Amino acid sequence: AAGVIQSPRHLIKEKRETATLKCYPIPRHDTVYWYQQGPGQDPQFLISFYEKMQSDKGSIPDRFSAQQFSDYHSELNMSSLELGDSALYFCASRGQGDAETQYFGPGTRLLVL
Amino acid sequence: AQTVTQSQPEMSVQEAETVTLSCTYDTSESDYYLFWYKQPPSRQMILVIRQEAYKQQNATENRFSVNFQKAAKSFSLKISDSQLGDAAMYFCAYRSGETSGSRLTFGEGTQLTVNP
Repeated sequence: AAGVIQSPRHLIKEKRETATLKCYPIPRHDTVYWYQQGPGQDPQFLISFYEKMQSDKGSIPDRFSAQQFSDYHSELNMSSLELGDSALYFCASRGQGDAETQYFGPGTRLLVL
Repeated sequence: AQTVTQSQPEMSVQEAETVTLSCTYDTSESDYYLFWYKQPPSRQMILVIRQEAYKQQNATENRFSVNFQKAAKSFSLKISDSQLGDAAMYFCAYRSGETSGSRLTFGEGTQLTVNP
């Protein structure tokens, strides 16, 4: 079965640079979620989109922005990167009628030097 | 706000034995969902099992089962016949059923070691 696709899988950036993470949800899934997992920590919710509209917002820095496009893929844009942004970034998607389950992509490992 | 607590940072089990991971949560809602996710060294988040709060019957998935105690706000995971491949970080997660599309709130995780 098709899974959530994230690209790139690994990313190395310098401080103050920008980064764009992409997420392609499972086909026919209309909701996308972004989570950030720091080293040794549990995933923290950043933001979500339903039918291309922002549906919920968590602890996402103002330096980050995200959107969902007409084909339901989503992008997380991160500017003025800081060392503390180094983390694993997950995208998850959810479809209707599946006990509200979120299915996770493999994640993008971001390292800020 | 809802909180999820996993009081066991680490657990170990012998291969073929049974182990139970604990999870408690705090909520004022009556409609919600609970999940266990597994994160192996690859760090992929893999759904293990899910439970709808309105269902009294405990969920089971092959060797994995839960003990859902709604009044006590407890949601433990039992792994039977443990296998080496079960070694991973296990996260308990809560999702509100009262807000469509709402986020997952995770516990701190329990690192499970399976000894041969």
